[in-house]
Amino acid sequence: ILNVEQSPQSLHVQEGDSTNFTCSFPSSNFYALHWYRWETAKSPEALFVMTLNGDEKKKGRISATLNTKEGYSYLYIKGSQPEDSATYLCAFIFYNQGGKLIFGQGTELSVKP
Amino acid sequence: GAGVSQSPRYKVTKRGQDVALRCDPISGHVSLYWYRQALGQGPEFLTYFNYEAQQDKSGLPNDRFSAERPEGSISTLTIQRTEQRDSAMYRCASTSGNNEQFFGPGTRLTVL
Repeated sequence: ILNVEQSPQSLHVQEGDSTNFTCSFPSSNFYALHWYRWETAKSPEALFVMTLNGDEKKKGRISATLNTKEGYSYLYIKGSQPEDSATYLCAFIFYNQGGKLIFGQGTELSVKP
Repeated sequence: GAGVSQSPRYKVTKRGQDVALRCDPISGHVSLYWYRQALGQGPEFLTYFNYEAQQDKSGLPNDRFSAERPEGSISTLTIQRTEQRDSAMYRCASTSGNNEQFFGPGTRLTVL
């Protein structure tokens, strides 16, 4: 079974809090891991594409790390703002599978002012 | 266009009818993917194309679902004899091959 698991399912934080969530994926036949930010009624928006073990990527207050050997990635948000409220999806690509994304169920983040 | 477009944005149909969902990828993008997203879930892979060739259709739920991309650009996902369980958001995405996939706004299908 090819599973991508995300935790927690939902998260409620106060403005200014820093937060992080996890994406777990199969550690064999790894090709790439994607993080997407998705607001309801909009298209998923790509945050990061990560391919190398030990990768760390950053975009503003959001950063991500990747461990392909143990099969996990962390997404960090520093100093959360209400506009960060969204569902964060990770998606895994197996090697030699044509680039199809296997998505987790997402972590729904709510940031209260 | 500037991004991936899909039409219609909303489709309400009666059980048993056929529907055709259209995806217009970013110009020049080689690969096009179709996903289905149930409420509260991440997208689930259906099928994908490189140019006009359908490379993988392992995610299509059954033979009522089919897709084509005859000229390697616009793609159509067709669902025949729709059932209520087909109700979902259908999304397409395209990529130039550098891994990042750009998603369209989706078609919300409701089967009554």
